[in-house]
Amino acid sequence: KAGVTQTPRYLIKTRGQQVTLSCSPISGHRSVSWYQQTPGQGLQFLFEYFSETQRNKGNFPGRFSGRQFSNSRSEMNVSTLELGDSALYLCASSVAPTETQYFGPGTRLLVL
Amino acid sequence: AQSVTQLGSHVSVSEGALVLLRCNYSSSVPPYLFWYVQYPNQGLQLLLKYTTGATLVKGINGFEAEFKKSETSFHLTKPSAHMSDAAEYFCAVTLSGSARQLTFGSGTQLTVLP
Repeated sequence: KAGVTQTPRYLIKTRGQQVTLSCSPISGHRSVSWYQQTPGQGLQFLFEYFSETQRNKGNFPGRFSGRQFSNSRSEMNVSTLELGDSALYLCASSVAPTETQYFGPGTRLLVL
Repeated sequence: AQSVTQLGSHVSVSEGALVLLRCNYSSSVPPYLFWYVQYPNQGLQLLLKYTTGATLVKGINGFEAEFKKSETSFHLTKPSAHMSDAAEYFCAVTLSGSARQLTFGSGTQLTVLP
């Protein structure tokens, strides 16, 4: 089975712009979670989607949003980018009953 | 709420020596516990997990971890380090039944010396 894929792998944006990141889960996995990884804050949970519905949400501002499509692919969007949004954004997919999360390679976002 | 503490942000061992990475957790309900490894410029790879049952869990690449409820610990060990084990290791916890939202420790960078 193919693993979790994320596109693009690298992205450079400027402050004030918006960005959309994409995640394709492992085939058959219906849950997709997003995490932000930074040197200062470490790995932090952003949100989780299941069957096109947001099920859980971390403590991030409303500039961070996401959605999931009927084929379980997910996108996350960050609007009005700030320098502090520079990070590695990781997507993970899982399936019942164990719900173990399998991670993609991440998208590295640099905000200038 | 749950939390994870990884003692030692950097650990160095000699090739062939025992690897011991420490993880303590806090959880108000029985937790699920995980160890992930991250190589440079890559995502996270699952090493092993504890959900229920046997408290000694064996994972990939010769790693194992033991869930000790009385000590609220889930330390990761490997009898003999290889150069290829050099990476960053993350302990994570989640509430049983809600394994989709992981809380991670701050990570331990493992260096293996020749």
